[in-house]
Amino acid sequence: QKEVEQDPGPLSVPEGAIVSLNCTYSNSAFQYFMWYRQYSRKGPELLMYTYSSGNKEDGRFTAQVDKSSKYISLFIRDSQPSDSATYLCAMSEDAGNNRKLIWGLGTSLAVNP
Amino acid sequence: DTEVTQTPKHLVMGMTNKKSLKCEQHMGHRAMYWYKQKAKKPPELMFVYSYEKLSINESVPSRFSPECPNSSLLNLHLHALQPEDSALYLCASSQSYYGYTFGSGTRLTVV
Repeated sequence: QKEVEQDPGPLSVPEGAIVSLNCTYSNSAFQYFMWYRQYSRKGPELLMYTYSSGNKEDGRFTAQVDKSSKYISLFIRDSQPSDSATYLCAMSEDAGNNRKLIWGLGTSLAVNP
Repeated sequence: DTEVTQTPKHLVMGMTNKKSLKCEQHMGHRAMYWYKQKAKKPPELMFVYSYEKLSINESVPSRFSPECPNSSLLNLHLHALQPEDSALYLCASSQSYYGYTFGSGTRLTVV
């Protein structure tokens, strides 16, 4: 079993839809959770960074962490064609400079006009 | 300045060549990273520098040689690469308790 599982998709939705992206993990020591967006041929861009359980909102994006279920989610409201990208979850046990991120495979999202 | 700048953006090199990838950040981050990413895969950690010292080497072949001349610069020296080393090479930086900031990467093709 991989430490982090993420459905690679592809996921295709119409413009304006609510998108739900998810990752599950097996290591209960993970405390820091991140979502990155990666456009084709570009580096990953940090979207959301959360510590422990709970919700965090930033504009159209909401990140949720449920440590009891070892499950994290990213919701995108009013999705736009510009949201079409690969979304990667990543997590770590600590937040120091030597931390190692454990990544999901990434979910490919297409938002159709 | 909230960017990580990588040069060159594209590089084609032969298996006998020596080349270098460069990375620069001016955010005051004290950790810098090299990652390798193949198509449709997540980034794969290669090296971590913390306070300009190599702190993690993920058993990377010696044909990849990292260097951190100062707190803002990170180089990756390449020598005698193989075609399977063709990939997107990403540099990132971070400060404790925050996420990484990635550069746009160098797309490397080994012929």
